[in-house]
Amino acid sequence: GDSVTQMEGPVTLSEEAFLTINCTYTATGYPSLFWYVQYPGEGLQLLLKATKADDKGSNKGFEATYRKETTSFHLEKGSVQVSDSAVYFCALSDHAGRRALTFGSGTRLQVQP
Amino acid sequence: NAGVTQTPKFQVLKTGQSMTLQCAQDMNHNSMYWYRQDPGMGLRLIYYSASEGTTDKGEVPNGYNVSRLNKREFSLRLESAAPSQTSVYFCASRVDLRGGSHYGYTFGSGTRLTVV
Repeated sequence: GDSVTQMEGPVTLSEEAFLTINCTYTATGYPSLFWYVQYPGEGLQLLLKATKADDKGSNKGFEATYRKETTSFHLEKGSVQVSDSAVYFCALSDHAGRRALTFGSGTRLQVQP
Repeated sequence: NAGVTQTPKFQVLKTGQSMTLQCAQDMNHNSMYWYRQDPGMGLRLIYYSASEGTTDKGEVPNGYNVSRLNKREFSLRLESAAPSQTSVYFCASRVDLRGGSHYGYTFGSGTRLTVV
């Protein structure tokens, strides 16, 4: 079945550092890919998405590119802020059936001032 | 505000007790989902409903039942709670757009359940 693998955390960075959170996936067909963010005590919010190969999703300075050849969707940000501290989930959704989201295990990011 | 509303936000149950988690959306979405979130495991699908009156099992359905009596509401019931069901539960809904767009997921704020 479908699966998503994320790098384990926590990831601890200083403010203004470069961020990369790795995500790879296994799926039949061509899924849509997502990054969700969860702030402490809150639900999940969509951060960005990509629906086909070579698409780049971007939002709030975060970017991720759908790489079909490497089955990856790595999240990047050039300069993190303390307010970016949260848990980040990579997820995929297939294009048939229930279209439910399959999530990675999540990566906690801690940004220190 | 439009969105997905979950109740209660927190609950403590004793082993063997029953309870129903409520979820309602006011966005006229067709599909609704229940997930559970456990440390280090991301979110896992419990049950899914494609439309009013239809439900389908997800990855971890054992110990749960669901009900989709109308388009707005999708409830999750624990008939006999067990400590292994201690988790954070999220409800989500998704709009079905022509062409199969997948960015229509909206999540509730979650229910934190502890079974002692």
